[in-house]
Amino acid sequence: AQTVTQSQPEMSVQEAETVTLSCTYDTSESDYYLFWYKQPPSRQMILVIRQEAYKQQNATENRFSVNFQKAAKSFSLKISDSQLGDAAMYFCAYRSAVLGSRLTFGEGTQLTVNP
Amino acid sequence: DAGVIQSPRHEVTEMGQEVTLRCKPISGHNSLFWYRQTMMRGLELLIYFNNNVPIDDSGMPEDRFSAKMPNASFSTLKIQPSEPRDSAVYFCASSPDRGLTGELFFGEGSRLTVL
Repeated sequence: AQTVTQSQPEMSVQEAETVTLSCTYDTSESDYYLFWYKQPPSRQMILVIRQEAYKQQNATENRFSVNFQKAAKSFSLKISDSQLGDAAMYFCAYRSAVLGSRLTFGEGTQLTVNP
Repeated sequence: DAGVIQSPRHEVTEMGQEVTLRCKPISGHNSLFWYRQTMMRGLELLIYFNNNVPIDDSGMPEDRFSAKMPNASFSTLKIQPSEPRDSAVYFCASSPDRGLTGELFFGEGSRLTVL
């Protein structure tokens, strides 16, 4: 079974600075998706960024980018120019590319943004 | 297009009572997922359906929990009888198979408190 590990239960960053959240995963598959979801206090799960495993280029969405290292099974999230609204719980997640498969989450990293 | 709709948003009940949580997935989505979120255990997949058929219910804690998907636009998660340890936020999510991006779309969650 696939597993996702986030080794940083909590992280903090100063407003306008850059922070990187770590994620590793374990799988024997070659085709899959990786995601970062954000969960603010409102508890809504919001997709931040997505990476297809077959793509070598790292995904980028505005201030959010990933460092995808397929061989190392590592998928970190970099948040640049951090804003107060970025404060949330961040979940790394894995999903097989097989149709109708499950999404497996990591334990989450609580990000605090200090003004 | 409306997102995933869950009801109720909040439920407070007494131990031993029956609880029914409801979910309407996004129209056209083939897969539907029920997750439970607690501080201790994080996000756990309880069960998921593909084309209304349960694919994996290995995450259902015990016989007190049951889930149904009678049609493509409706699912229920029932707990009978409820216990205080069932207190959690229950999320429903859906995803399409075609035009697969892998992403799950989440509802706002149902917060259950069992006294």
